Amino acid sequence: RKEVEQDPGPFNVPEGATVAFNCTYSNSASQSFFWYRQDCRKEPKLLMSVYSSGNEDGRFTAQLNRASQYISLLIRDSKLSDSATYLCVVYGGGFKTIFGAGTRLFVKA
Amino acid sequence: DAMVIQNPRYQVTQFGKPVTLSCSQTLNHNVMYWYQQKSSQAPKLLFHYYDKDFNNEADTPDNFQSRRPNTSFCFLDIRSPGLGDAAMYLCATSSDGGGAEEKLFFGSGTQLSVL
Repeated sequence: RKEVEQDPGPFNVPEGATVAFNCTYSNSASQSFFWYRQDCRKEPKLLMSVYSSGNEDGRFTAQLNRASQYISLLIRDSKLSDSATYLCVVYGGGFKTIFGAGTRLFVKA
Repeated sequence: DAMVIQNPRYQVTQFGKPVTLSCSQTLNHNVMYWYQQKSSQAPKLLFHYYDKDFNNEADTPDNFQSRRPNTSFCFLDIRSPGLGDAAMYLCATSSDGGGAEEKLFFGSGTQLSVL
């Protein structure tokens, strides 16, 4: 079993749609959680941290469920510029940051 | 005002010919990492430095070596590149490496092709 698993997609949605991604992780001792965004042939960039209480940044909402060991990302009112790969990232301590393979999102006009 | 700089952006080498990729940072971060990312796959951690302490991942091939001569610079040496080593190589930094907020700052990556 992979340490961090994501649905690879692709998710094809029209502009203005709401789309949600989930991610599961295997190490129950994991300490912190993030979503990164990666454009084609570019480096990953931090989108947001994920907390148990949930956190929101504009159109983006992230949630952590420690009991079920999953993380979610909700994007509301999708824009063309949201098209990218979204990487679920888990930090387990000891300098080990584990990336999921990513979920690809295409937003169409 | 790039904070983590990788050179070159694209590197082509021949099968078996040693190649070095470079990374520099202006963030004065303690920790520097090298990740390998193949197409449609997750970035895979190869090794990291905490200051001068080098830490190799258990499954990183011996063909990959690294040097960190000072806080700002880190190099990835591939001694005998094979076709399977063609990938994007990402350098990243973090300020502490031991805290709960383990945010990584990435360079733009070096896309390595092996002919």
